[in-house]
Amino acid sequence: EAQVTQNPRYLITVTGKKLTVTCSQNMNHEYMSWYRQDPGLGLRQIYYSMNVEVTDKGDVPEGYKVSRKEKRNFPLILESPSPNQTSLYFCASRRGSSGSYEQYFGPGTRLTVT
Amino acid sequence: AQSVAQPEDQVNVAEGNPLTVKCTYSVSGNPYLFWYVQYPNRGLQFLLKYITGDNLVKGSYGFEAEFNKSQTSFHLKKPSALVSDSALYFCAVSVHGAGNMLTFGGGTRLMVKP
Repeated sequence: EAQVTQNPRYLITVTGKKLTVTCSQNMNHEYMSWYRQDPGLGLRQIYYSMNVEVTDKGDVPEGYKVSRKEKRNFPLILESPSPNQTSLYFCASRRGSSGSYEQYFGPGTRLTVT
Repeated sequence: AQSVAQPEDQVNVAEGNPLTVKCTYSVSGNPYLFWYVQYPNRGLQFLLKYITGDNLVKGSYGFEAEFNKSQTSFHLKKPSALVSDSALYFCAVSVHGAGNMLTFGGGTRLMVKP
């Protein structure tokens, strides 16, 4: 089954404790992206990657890091989480370099930083 | 900068009645427009998209949307609503030739009552 998986689904942590949210897709997609969803703000793009070793900032990259060492994986790293990063996070992938293709989303990771 | 507006936080309709969820956008260049749906505790699912050609596009579950260039709108419609259509709907836009950024609206919650 074609899918995007994320782990963990739920995470409660404390300020300053580094964490990684994993994302993997099995569709051989070139493009992957991370979003955060906050009430009333919709989804905002954090980082995206056009292919292996190619990443770029989205609208809200501050406080986040990403890497793309393999085509299928695109982990999101919070090196020093803060309470304002409490949010619902989605990973997504799509094929190709054109924005005309639809994105496939993972199930989401709900992060709480205390 | 590109942006999307969904002017209604919530739309209430009775089952069997037609529904419309509104979306307007602002971009520099030709837009690619998308509708996604989010059911509780799930990731976003693609419904339909406008890339080029016919202004009326048809998608999953009987939904359709009409691209109106002069009004910069892309409203989502369905002739007869079902209770199971109740969900959170997002409109999104990217730009031809600069398709790495996908910008979402704030979302509209659709409530269909029996």
